[in-house]
Amino acid sequence: TQLLEQSPQFLSIQEGENLTVYCNSSSVFSSLQWYRQEPGEGPVLLVTVVTGGEVKKLKRLTFQFGDARKDSSLHITAAQPGDTGLYLCAGVKDKLVFGAGTILRVKS
Amino acid sequence: EPEVTQTPSHQVTQMGQEVILRCVPISNHLYFYWYRQILGQKVEFLVSFYNNEISEKSEIFDDQFSVERPDGSNFTLKIRSTKLEDSAMYFCASSSGRAFFGQGTRLTVV
Repeated sequence: TQLLEQSPQFLSIQEGENLTVYCNSSSVFSSLQWYRQEPGEGPVLLVTVVTGGEVKKLKRLTFQFGDARKDSSLHITAAQPGDTGLYLCAGVKDKLVFGAGTILRVKS
Repeated sequence: EPEVTQTPSHQVTQMGQEVILRCVPISNHLYFYWYRQILGQKVEFLVSFYNNEISEKSEIFDDQFSVERPDGSNFTLKIRSTKLEDSAMYFCASSSGRAFFGQGTRLTVV
């Protein structure tokens, strides 16, 4: 069984603070994807990281793929209330394996 | 941007009844998936489908579940005899490298 451990499970911060979400596994993935999910809706793809050590930026979001392609992080700079949501990492082999998700709440 | 569409958005069914969840994947995608998410829990893989056959399925996907692509466009998930614990959001996804998810069908078994 491929397990993807995501932490923290829940994060409540003030607007303007920075945060990092981690995704760790003992398995090597060909790539790793980060999704954001709103209540009652499907996951929406934010980014795919493919190369070990790769860093991708999406406005205030920075995604990093570990050198060994077993872990990844999502860093949000100066969080805003609109960033509130469920963030999911998903490792890619022959199917997507999801982490349990991180519920982010940004208070104004 | 192309999107995966799922119908219905919400289905309420009595325990023991059959349900069919429908999905229209993105037209040029080759891989299709069903996932489910029980309220408050993680997104769980059910089944993947490629070249008109199941390529992988999880332990959740037992004999009560089946998938079809009857007309080359729709991709359906059938649950033959629903149980209370089948209540969940069911997500369809299609992929050709990047996976795109539908909005989900909320299945409530009463």
